[in-house]
Amino acid sequence: GENVEQHPSTLSVQEGDSAVIKCTYSDSASNYFPWYKQELGKRPQLIIDIRSNVGEKKDQRIAVTLNKTAKHFSLHITETQPEDSAVYFCAASIQSFQKLVFGTGTRLLVSP
Amino acid sequence: NAGVTQTPKFRVLKTGQSMTLLCAQDMNHEYMYWYRQDPGMGLRLIHYSVGEGTTAKGEVPDGYNVSRLKKQNFLLGLESAAPSQTSVYFCASRGSASYEQYFGPGTRLTVT
Repeated sequence: GENVEQHPSTLSVQEGDSAVIKCTYSDSASNYFPWYKQELGKRPQLIIDIRSNVGEKKDQRIAVTLNKTAKHFSLHITETQPEDSAVYFCAASIQSFQKLVFGTGTRLLVSP
Repeated sequence: NAGVTQTPKFRVLKTGQSMTLLCAQDMNHEYMYWYRQDPGMGLRLIHYSVGEGTTAKGEVPDGYNVSRLKKQNFLLGLESAAPSQTSVYFCASRGSASYEQYFGPGTRLTVT
């Protein structure tokens, strides 16, 4: 089955720096790659996603890139702010988008 | 709209006891999911449903059963709780026109 690996497990940056989180997937049939943000004690919420027919997608300070050949995708956050501190999960879809397989999460800490 | 709600929010069980977690959504979504979240392991899919009256196994289905008798509700049952089932349980739902999964607030379950 699909396996999604996520790195790093923790990431500490200074406010204003950029942060990059990377994920790799194993199933070449996967074609949808969302990123979820989970603040402490809260539910995961979708922040950005990308389909396999697109190489890059941006939404203000966040962007996701996809390399289908290498089977990896990355989340980029620019000009980080303390409110970006959270756990970020990548995921990959299988079976015609019915299911998601999640990575193990990255705890991002942005220090003022 | 309440979105996705879960009942109860917290529960403590003794080994061998049974319980049912209720997930309800008011968005007329076709797809519903149950995940468990454990430290360092991300979100793992227990069972899911692609429509009223249907259920399917996810990554970690052992020890759990589910039912989807009504479109808006998805029940997760533990017949004989074990300490290994101590976790935070999240329900999610998704419409057929979008790939975004909307999560409930979670249920923290402790089995002693």
